[in-house]
Order: sequence, then structure tokens, then C-alpha cells
Amino acid sequence: DADVTQTPRNRITKTGKRIMLECSQTKGHDRMYWYRQDPGLGLRLIYYSFDVKDINKGEISDGYSVSRQAQAKFSLSLESAIPNQTALYFCATSGRGPYNEQFFGPGTRLTVL
Amino acid sequence: KQEVTQIPAALSVPEGENLVLNCSFTDSAIYNLQWFRQDPGKGLTSLLLIQSSQREQTSGRLNASLDKSSGRSTLYIAASQPGDSATYLCAVKLNAGGTSYGKLTFGQGTILTVHP
Repeated sequence: DADVTQTPRNRITKTGKRIMLECSQTKGHDRMYWYRQDPGLGLRLIYYSFDVKDINKGEISDGYSVSRQAQAKFSLSLESAIPNQTALYFCATSGRGPYNEQFFGPGTRLTVL
Repeated sequence: KQEVTQIPAALSVPEGENLVLNCSFTDSAIYNLQWFRQDPGKGLTSLLLIQSSQREQTSGRLNASLDKSSGRSTLYIAASQPGDSATYLCAVKLNAGGTSYGKLTFGQGTILTVHP
């Protein structure tokens, strides 16, 4: 089984809808991250969490919110989806401290019509 | 602001060639540099992690070097195979002192095609 899982893997929604992307990990890591990937823009950090009580905005957090329900679960919500949020979304985890490797989930392809 | 650049943007080679992918970054105050592989529509697979104090890391046919002072890293792939075809991404983790939050800054990637 994969160490970092994301659900759903694909999602098509309409403008204005609220949606949630979920991430679970079995690596026992404290730190979790949400990134989005856009053609020509690379991967950009949306939110990150160092533990259940520590959540921080990344470089492009507007229009998004997150919830860290447990050490192993980190959800990303789009309160009112818009077309320019169409992208590939990745969850990642890492161990405590800055020297650790980041491990990525398989991604969620989101299309907002 | 840390900027990461990868050259070339795309590379097409015949099977069996040895090849080099380049990554450069503007701020040398980094914790580490990580190389990833991404297959079309898939997630990122970590290939190699080089700490700032290290010069190189090896895994099988892959060798990554790091020259922190000049802001450069190279990924060397020996005896390339069609299965190596993918996008290769490098990412650096900036050393932000005691408040470092583990943010990775990614390059745009090199799209590698190895044809039989």
C-alpha cells in the first residue's frame, strides 16, 4: 500500500461549489504539505502543517483552507471553486526537522468548469 | 527569493546514452536539494536527496552532485533506458534559520525521452 494516499484522484466540479481533497499517510510523519502544479508554473506551496495544532499559509493560500484532523490526515478545501483552480494537487509529508526528505502522494487532478 | 532553473527543458536521446540534467538555484543558503521523477499524470517519486554538506549521492545508475557555492546541481543518468522517460524535477529547501518551514522551491523540470 502507498505511504501517502490522496482522494479523490480525479474530480470535475462547477464554479462556486465547495470541494474537499483528502490526504492520508502511514509514514508517521509530523509535517504535511499541500502543493498545486500548473503547466509552466511548476509546483507551489498552498498550506503546510508541522503538527495537528500548527497550520501555516504557503505562497498561494487565497481561496483555500485546510484541516489537520489527525497526525495522519490533512484535508484541503476549496470554499467556492473557480476555473483558475484547475490544477494537479499534491499532498506531501516529511519527518520533523529541515533535513528530511519529502514524500509525495499520487496527486488529485481537479477540473473546475 | 529563491529561484530554481533547470536546463534543458526537454531532452531526447537514444537508448544507452549517458546524460546530464542541470539544476541551478539563486540562493546558496539551503538545507538540501532533492531530485524527483514524475511520470505523466502521476505523483513525484523521490530519487535522491543531497544535504548541503554533501557533494554527491548515488543510487543505481543515478548520480547527483551538488556545488552549493555556485548554486548548481547535476543529475547524471548512466546507460539510459526507455523506462527512464519522465519529467525530472529538482527542488531546494531554503535554510531560513530557526523558522525554516520545510518549503521546497521547484524548478520547471526537464522532460526526458529515451527512445529505443
